[in-house]
Amino acid sequence: GENVEQHPSTLSVQEGDSAVIKCTYSDSASNYFPWYKQELGKRPQLIIDIRSNVGEKKDQRIAVTLNKTAKHFSLHITETQPEDSAVYFCATYSGGGADGLTFGKGTHLIIQP
Amino acid sequence: NAGVTQTPKFRILKIGQSMTLQCTQDMNHNYMYWYRQDPGMGLKLIYYSVGAGITDKGEVPNGYNVSRSTTEDFPLRLELAAPSQTSVYFCASRGIMGPPQHFGDGTRLSIL
Repeated sequence: GENVEQHPSTLSVQEGDSAVIKCTYSDSASNYFPWYKQELGKRPQLIIDIRSNVGEKKDQRIAVTLNKTAKHFSLHITETQPEDSAVYFCATYSGGGADGLTFGKGTHLIIQP
Repeated sequence: NAGVTQTPKFRILKIGQSMTLQCTQDMNHNYMYWYRQDPGMGLKLIYYSVGAGITDKGEVPNGYNVSRSTTEDFPLRLELAAPSQTSVYFCASRGIMGPPQHFGDGTRLSIL
């Protein structure tokens, strides 16, 4: 089955700096790559997603890049703010085998004031 | 339009007890999912359903059962609760055209 590796597990950045979180996956059939933000005690919330026919997608301060050849994708947050502090999860979806998302283990992003 | 609703929000069970976690959605979504999230980890798929009457196993199905008698409801049953099932359980749904998935608020379950 699919295996998703996420790095780093913890990331501390100064407010205003950029943050980058990286994920690699194993299933070449994966075709959908969402990123979720989860605050303590809350549900995962979709913040951005990308499909396999696109290399990059941007939404204000957030961007995702995808390299299908290398099987990795990354989340980029620019001009970080205190409210960006949370745990971020990458995930993949292939639609084959068990239908459902395969998640990475998460990155705890800490924004230092 | 409430989206995905899970009940209860919290529950403490004793080892060996059984319970059903409820999940309902009002978006007329065909696809529904159950995930569990252990502390400091990502979500893992327990079971999923592609429509009423059709269910299938995910990555970690042992110790759980599901049913899907209607489009709206997808309950998850624990028959003999074990401490290893202490976790936060999330239900999700999506439409027939594909992701994204919509998550419920979760059920925090402790088994002592």
